[in-house]
Amino acid sequence: AQTVTQSQPEMSVQEAETVTLSCTYDTSESDYYLFWYKQPPSRQMILVIRQEAYKQQNATENRFSVNFQKAAKSFSLKISDSQLGDAAMYFCAYSMDTGRRALTFGSGTRLQVQP
Amino acid sequence: NAGVTQTPKFRVLKTGQSMTLLCAQDMNHEYMYWYRQDPGMGLRLIHYSVGEGTTAKGEVPDGYNVSRLKKQNFLLGLESAAPSQTSVYFCASSYGQGTYNEQFFGPGTRLTVL
Repeated sequence: AQTVTQSQPEMSVQEAETVTLSCTYDTSESDYYLFWYKQPPSRQMILVIRQEAYKQQNATENRFSVNFQKAAKSFSLKISDSQLGDAAMYFCAYSMDTGRRALTFGSGTRLQVQP
Repeated sequence: NAGVTQTPKFRVLKTGQSMTLLCAQDMNHEYMYWYRQDPGMGLRLIHYSVGEGTTAKGEVPDGYNVSRLKKQNFLLGLESAAPSQTSVYFCASSYGQGTYNEQFFGPGTRLTVL
């Protein structure tokens, strides 16, 4: 079974600074997807960024980028120029490219942004 | 488009009562999912459906049943609610193949069982 581990329950960053959230996963599959979801206090799940395992190039979405290390099964999220609106729970998630395609989530990292 | 909607948004039940949570999507998605979220944990898969008329168990299916009679709707039922089912429930949907597995989530239902 696939597992996703987020070892940082809480992180704090100063506004305008950069922060990196860690995620590791375990799978025997070669084709899969990795995601970072943001959950603000409204509890809505918002997709931040995704990475296809077959792509070597790291995904980037504006201020958000990932460091995908397939051999190490590591998938970290970097948030640059942090903003107050970035404060939220962040979940790392994995899904296979076949079958039920359901998401397996990590336990989350709560990010605080200090003004 | 409304996307994924969930009804109700909040509910309080007494132990042993039953209820049905409704999920509806207007994106013509094939795949639909029910997850639960408990404090300190990520979302966990309860049941899922890969098409109209099909359902299957996820990681935590005990105490729940589901039905997908129409493609756009996915119902989650609790026949006899227990305090351990106090949680936030999320429905999600996706196209499935060839779409990066992107799932679209509903706003969640907070359920309390006393």
